[in-house]
Amino acid sequence: EDQVTQSPEALRLQEGESSSLNCSYTVSGLRGLFWYRQDPGKGPEFLFTLYSAGEEKEKERLKATLTKKESFLHITAPKPEDSATYLCAVQYFNSGGGADGLTFGKGTHLIIQP
Amino acid sequence: DSGVTQTPKHLITATGQRVTLRCSPRSGDLSVYWYQQSLDQGLQFLIQYYNGEERAKGNILERFSAQQFPDLHSELNLSSLELGDSALYFCASSHPESDRAGNTIYFGEGSWLTVV
Repeated sequence: EDQVTQSPEALRLQEGESSSLNCSYTVSGLRGLFWYRQDPGKGPEFLFTLYSAGEEKEKERLKATLTKKESFLHITAPKPEDSATYLCAVQYFNSGGGADGLTFGKGTHLIIQP
Repeated sequence: DSGVTQTPKHLITATGQRVTLRCSPRSGDLSVYWYQQSLDQGLQFLIQYYNGEERAKGNILERFSAQQFPDLHSELNLSSLELGDSALYFCASSHPESDRAGNTIYFGEGSWLTVV
């Protein structure tokens, strides 16, 4: 069973057309939920970390929210340069009291058309 | 620029060979993570080191090994390479995980490995 599921797999929007990307996760033992942006052939670029339900963070046209079982990445009035793959990842506490490495979803490939 | 440096950027090698990928974490970061990204599997966590010690293990094959040195740089060793090992290998680093505010994990630009 996947711990992180992202939807949709791909999304094509017109410039200025707002939308939301979804990330659902296995709840038990969550330490943090991360959003990254990845351009082709590049490393994931950190966007946000969310730790508790109700938390929200914003950066330019992006806003990330967290509920008890899912997270949303809202994109407001996107521009073509926002085109990228957006990755959601979760980090869980491990049995030793530390944290496991990030478990990534498969991502949402976002295309913003001018 | 995330501050995480990986070398080499590209590497082509034959099946059965061994390669070493190198990573320098961001200044002050004690944790180093290795990830593999292939088209069909997405980003897969391999292993984590914290201040020289192995901290967590993911889907790392027995043919693969890693270590973190006293200067905190890390190396990922891949041996008996197979065609299916062709992928983008990322290193990431973070500040001490006990500091919640510092638990941001930054990725390098990756090392492209092609096995022929």
